[in-house]
Amino acid sequence: ILNVEQSPQSLHVQEGDSTNFTCSFPSSNFYALHWYRWETAKSPEALFVMTLNGDEKKKGRISATLNTKEGYSYLYIKGSQPEDSATYLCAFYAGNNRKLIWGLGTSLAVNP
Amino acid sequence: EAGVTQFPSHSVIEKGQTVTLRCDPISGHDNLYWYRRVMGKEIKFLLHFVKESKQDESGMPNNRFLAERTGGTYSTLKVQPAELEDSGVYFCASSQGYRDPETQYFGPGTRLLVL
Repeated sequence: ILNVEQSPQSLHVQEGDSTNFTCSFPSSNFYALHWYRWETAKSPEALFVMTLNGDEKKKGRISATLNTKEGYSYLYIKGSQPEDSATYLCAFYAGNNRKLIWGLGTSLAVNP
Repeated sequence: EAGVTQFPSHSVIEKGQTVTLRCDPISGHDNLYWYRRVMGKEIKFLLHFVKESKQDESGMPNNRFLAERTGGTYSTLKVQPAELEDSGVYFCASSQGYRDPETQYFGPGTRLLVL
């Protein structure tokens, strides 16, 4: 059974703080790791699709790294802003069944 | 360019009734996916269309769920008869289908509550 774990489950930070969260996934049959940002009642927004071990991707103040050998990815937010408040979801894409397996997400609240 | 749209945004029905959810993918996207998120649980894959064909429907919970994608454009997901455990947010996503892996673009979801 494929399992994707995200930690922490929730996080409260102050505006300006930098923060990071973890996505753990199976290290076998790896094909890709997707990160999404989701505000309730809106569409989940694609952040990154990561495929190569050692990959590092950046979008504004948000960046992500990937370690496929040990099965984890980190998402970093530099200088958090209230508008960063959302649930951050990762999804593992396996090479043998081509479907997204999702974590529960990390709920981030940034206090002004 | 319009994103993925879903209708309705919310639906409240009684157990035993029928509900049909609609998804309009981004124009030109061959791949269309349905997902469901039950409260407190992770998003789960339901099925995947490539154009009008069902590529993978391994995530469909049971035969009360029927998905169609006529003409390879919009898709419908019908639940008949609805049960309490069908409550959740139903997401639709689409992708171009030019390469693998690729970004899946999500709609805002339909929030279904079965009473």
